[in-house]
Amino acid sequence: TQLLEQSPQFLSIQEGENLTVYCNSSSVFSSLQWYRQEPGEGPVLLVTVVTGGEVKKLKRLTFQFGDARKDSSLHITAAQPGDTGLYLCAGGSNYKLTFGKGTLLTVNP
Amino acid sequence: DSGVTQTPKHLITATGQRVTLRCSPRSGDLSVYWYQQSLDQGLQFLIQYYNGEERAKGNILERFSAQQFPDLHSELNLSSLELGDSALYFCASSAHTGGGMNTEAFFGQGTRLTVV
Repeated sequence: TQLLEQSPQFLSIQEGENLTVYCNSSSVFSSLQWYRQEPGEGPVLLVTVVTGGEVKKLKRLTFQFGDARKDSSLHITAAQPGDTGLYLCAGGSNYKLTFGKGTLLTVNP
Repeated sequence: DSGVTQTPKHLITATGQRVTLRCSPRSGDLSVYWYQQSLDQGLQFLIQYYNGEERAKGNILERFSAQQFPDLHSELNLSSLELGDSALYFCASSAHTGGGMNTEAFFGQGTRLTVV
């Protein structure tokens, strides 16, 4: 069974702070994605990374895929209240997209 | 708007009953995934269909079944419902079978099922 462990589970910070959340697995994935989910809504895709060591930037968000394609990180610079939400990583292989349990981020004004 | 439509948005039913959840994927997407999300378990993969055929099975109970029709819409059938089946049920679609490059899943807004 492929498992994705996300840490921390909860994170509460002040507006303007930087943060990093992690997604780790013992399995290799052919692709890894990050989603953000707001209460009562479906997850929304933020980014897909496919190459080991790949770094992608989306405005204040920086995503990195580990060299061995087993782990990933999401770094947010100067967090804003609008960044509040559940951040989920998902690994793709063998026709399945497996999700971690997510990091619930709260950015306080 | 993701382009994935799920109906109904809310459903309240009694234990022992059977319900059907419906999903219309994004135009052109051949893959449909079903997920169950509860507070303690997170987003749990149930089952995936690709172009009408079952491709992968996750933690789907025997009381649950799904199918994908020729027009690519999908239904998830939940029977003999128990209190513990109360959860958000999400459908997602993607252009590909899953696992390879560019497996980008687009989620519907979910069906909130409450079993009383």
